[in-house]
Amino acid sequence: QSALTQPASVSGSPGQSITISCTGTSSDVGAYNYVSWYQQHPGKAPKLMIYDVGNRPSGVSNRFSGSKSGYTASLTISGLQAEDEADYYCSSSTNSNTRVFGTGTKVTVL
Amino acid sequence: EVQLVESGGGLVQPGGSLRLSCAASGFTFSPYGMNWVRQAPGKGLEWVSYISGGSNTIYYADSVKGRFTISRDNARNSLYLQMNSLRDDDTAVYYCARDRANTYYDYWGQGSLVTVSP
Repeated sequence: QSALTQPASVSGSPGQSITISCTGTSSDVGAYNYVSWYQQHPGKAPKLMIYDVGNRPSGVSNRFSGSKSGYTASLTISGLQAEDEADYYCSSSTNSNTRVFGTGTKVTVL
Repeated sequence: EVQLVESGGGLVQPGGSLRLSCAASGFTFSPYGMNWVRQAPGKGLEWVSYISGGSNTIYYADSVKGRFTISRDNARNSLYLQMNSLRDDDTAVYYCARDRANTYYDYWGQGSLVTVSP
C-alpha cells in the first residue's frame, strides 16, 4: 500500500488561510469517507484534528476544516496562527483492511 | 483522562526480538480496537497493525507481516507488539493509538523508541 500524496511544505502568513491536499486512489481515499487528519509538533505524538473527512473532535479549533472530492481530500486552516506550525498527516482506511498515511506536510507560519 | 503509555523499546541487534507494551487507563479498554503506528527518524507515520477489542480481528502492514504479532490482555488493560527478525528499517518510534470505528485514531501514546543496530 503506497502512502497518500501530500505536498512536502505549505506556508502562509498569520491570519491567512492555507489548504493541504491528500491524494490517494480508488482503493483508499476514493473508496470511503474515512479520511482523518493529524497534527504533529516536533518531538510530540500526533493529535487528531479531523475525522471522517470533515468532522472536528471536541476541543479542536473551528479554524480547521476538511473536505473531499474524488480521490483528493483537503485540510484547510483559516486564520493561520503561530501555534499551527507543525507537520500534518492525512490517513485513510483502504479496501484491503489496512490503513495508510499521507507523506506529511510541514506547515510554516511566515 | 485517557492515557496510553508505551514501554519496552530499546537497542536491539538485527535479527533480534523485542516486545512493546502499551498500558491504557482512563477508559474502558476492552471495547476499543487498538493500533500500533511507527515513525522512523525524520520520516512520516506508518500504520503497523490493528487488533479489535475482542482480539478476533487482526490486521498487519505488509512490511511487518510474518515478523510482528499484535496482542492484548483486556484484564490488564494492555496492548502488546511482539517484534521478531528485526531489521534496520524497523528503527522507529512506536506509538499505540486508540481506534475509533475502524477509521481513525483518537488518542495516542507518547511513543517508545526502538533502535535496530549492530
